[in-house]
Amino acid sequence: TQLLEQSPQFLSIQEGENLTVYCNSSSVFSSLQWYRQEPGEGPVLLVTVVTGGEVKKLKRLTFQFGDARKDSSLHITAAQPGDTGLYLCAGALGSSGSARQLTFGSGTQLTVLP
Amino acid sequence: KAGVTQTPRYLIKTRGQQVTLSCSPISGHRSVSWYQQTPGQGLQFLFEYFSETQRNKGNFPGRFSGRQFSNSRSEMNVSTLELGDSALYLCASTGRTLANTGELFFGEGSRLTVL
Repeated sequence: TQLLEQSPQFLSIQEGENLTVYCNSSSVFSSLQWYRQEPGEGPVLLVTVVTGGEVKKLKRLTFQFGDARKDSSLHITAAQPGDTGLYLCAGALGSSGSARQLTFGSGTQLTVLP
Repeated sequence: KAGVTQTPRYLIKTRGQQVTLSCSPISGHRSVSWYQQTPGQGLQFLFEYFSETQRNKGNFPGRFSGRQFSNSRSEMNVSTLELGDSALYLCASTGRTLANTGELFFGEGSRLTVL
């Protein structure tokens, strides 16, 4: 059983449409990150959310951390082909320190068609 | 500043062989983590090193090992390769932030194919 469940697993939409990706868990995380990975590349950090209820915006991307810090969502407005990629959420358990281990969700493969 | 560098980028091995992968973290980063990525299992944590000491270990067999050098460069080794070890192996380094939230900076990965 995945500690972090992402949905949907695959998403194919037309350019200009909006979409939301969900990341859910029964565990409480001290922080949660969202990464995007393109083919042949490693994941790249998009955002980190730390406080329950926190909302962060990155251009057309809006990230929200649930009040109980168990879930998160990523909303993309007016998607563009450049948004295509594998979106991964990753939750951090435990207290501060570089020994923290991130748990990754299974990922959402997004394809935006022109 | 330079990113995380992994070598080699691609390699092909046969069952029973062993492989060593190398990772140079971002300058100043002392924590290096390794992940295995496969289509079926996603990103799975292998281990983390900090100041030459293994701090965390994932649920992988003893065939998977690693080490870190005094300059923070890290290597991971897989012995007696199996077909199921075919994967993208990702290295990530971590710098300390004010929130100490452990953001990872990934390399491009080493794609291992076991025949």
